[in-house]
Amino acid sequence: AQSVSQHNHHVILSEAASLELGCNYSYGGTVNLFWYVQYPGQHLQLLLKYFSGDPLVKGIKGFEAEFIKSKFSFNLRKPSVQWSDTAEYFCAGTQYNNNDMRFGAGTRLTVKP
Amino acid sequence: DGGITQSPKYLFRKEGQNVTLSCEQNLNHDAMYWYRQDPGQGLRLIYYSQIVNDFQKGDIAEGYSVSREKKESFPLTVTSAQKNPTAFYLCASIPDRGLGNTEAFFGQGTRLTVV
Repeated sequence: AQSVSQHNHHVILSEAASLELGCNYSYGGTVNLFWYVQYPGQHLQLLLKYFSGDPLVKGIKGFEAEFIKSKFSFNLRKPSVQWSDTAEYFCAGTQYNNNDMRFGAGTRLTVKP
Repeated sequence: DGGITQSPKYLFRKEGQNVTLSCEQNLNHDAMYWYRQDPGQGLRLIYYSQIVNDFQKGDIAEGYSVSREKKESFPLTVTSAQKNPTAFYLCASIPDRGLGNTEAFFGQGTRLTVV
């Protein structure tokens, strides 16, 4: 079955540090990939998404992700994190023409002021 | 305002009882989903539905049942066969039913505690 995996369970950074969260997928064919964020006590919301075209995708709040097909990866990056980025981050994927949407286990990010 | 409403926010049930969690959306979305969120395990797919009267099992469908009689509604029943039902349950929907390339919208979740 298709799956999405995130290997970093809890990441702790100081403000202004750079961030990279790993995401790998096991889908074949054309994939659609997403990063969602869940701030404490809030709904999940979309950070960014990749469907096709430029493999470097820019999202909200200064986040970006790079789709590397040869590595089955879609890592999330931010050059300089802020205390307000403290949240849980989820990678998700579907296949083209299929709404079976799977999520990774999530990465909890703690940013120290 | 358009959105997804899950009710209730907190639910307590005795072991051995079936319980139904409500999910309603007024976004006119075709596809709807149920996920279970446990610490360290992310969101695991229970069931999803791409259209009325159709639904597909996810990774952890055992002990759960769903129905999709109306486009707006996708209730989840947690049956007594579910061995570890205490969890946070999230409902989601997306607009289209074929391409898999659109953003999902989420409800606020229902925290079910079985005692």
